[in-house]
Amino acid sequence: QQQVKQSPQSLIVQKGGISIINCAYENTAFDYFPWYQQFPGKGPALLIAIRPDVSEKKEGRFTISFNKSAKQFSLHIMDSQPGDSATYFCAARGRGTDKLIFGTGTRLQVFP
Amino acid sequence: EAGVTQFPSHSVIEKGQTVTLRCDPISGHDNLYWYRRVMGKEIKFLLHFVKESKQDESGMPNNRFLAERTGGTYSTLKVQPAELEDSGVYFCASTELSTDTQYFGPGTRLTVL
Repeated sequence: QQQVKQSPQSLIVQKGGISIINCAYENTAFDYFPWYQQFPGKGPALLIAIRPDVSEKKEGRFTISFNKSAKQFSLHIMDSQPGDSATYFCAARGRGTDKLIFGTGTRLQVFP
Repeated sequence: EAGVTQFPSHSVIEKGQTVTLRCDPISGHDNLYWYRRVMGKEIKFLLHFVKESKQDESGMPNNRFLAERTGGTYSTLKVQPAELEDSGVYFCASTELSTDTQYFGPGTRLTVL
């Protein structure tokens, strides 16, 4: 049973557009929600993370929106660039544990 | 500062053979994690070391998998004997104690034929 559901599986966006990736979770004991970015041939790298006591976190063109009551969180990439083309994973971590529970990933392609 | 390194980058073996994957964490990182991604699916947690001790091995699929971290530095993950369903990309990650960010290595792509 998948604990973190991610959609869409793939996304094509034009340069300058907004990319939106959504994740949903069931376990209310999760207390840390990171997003990882992975380029081909590389390992996942932390992009941005949020805790459930805030509803939004912004770092440059990347924003996480968090809806605790709906148990959903999303990544918004503003002004998407070809260099943003990568696979994005949402994840969650339970209170008192270290293990990350990942979504299935979204392959983003940004075309010029 | 060198990142997490993994060796080999690719391994192709036949069913029933043994393979050993190696991970060198970032220097000074006491936490070391193994994860696996089977094609198109989520990245799944396998286990967590704190120094040389296994903190959580709840994700290890079965007793064909053996992880070690002698001396609390590098770690090895041995699969013996390998089965077809073991194919995937094996990632290692590390962190300092009491920090959130897990730093991932580039992964080892294992193909079992």
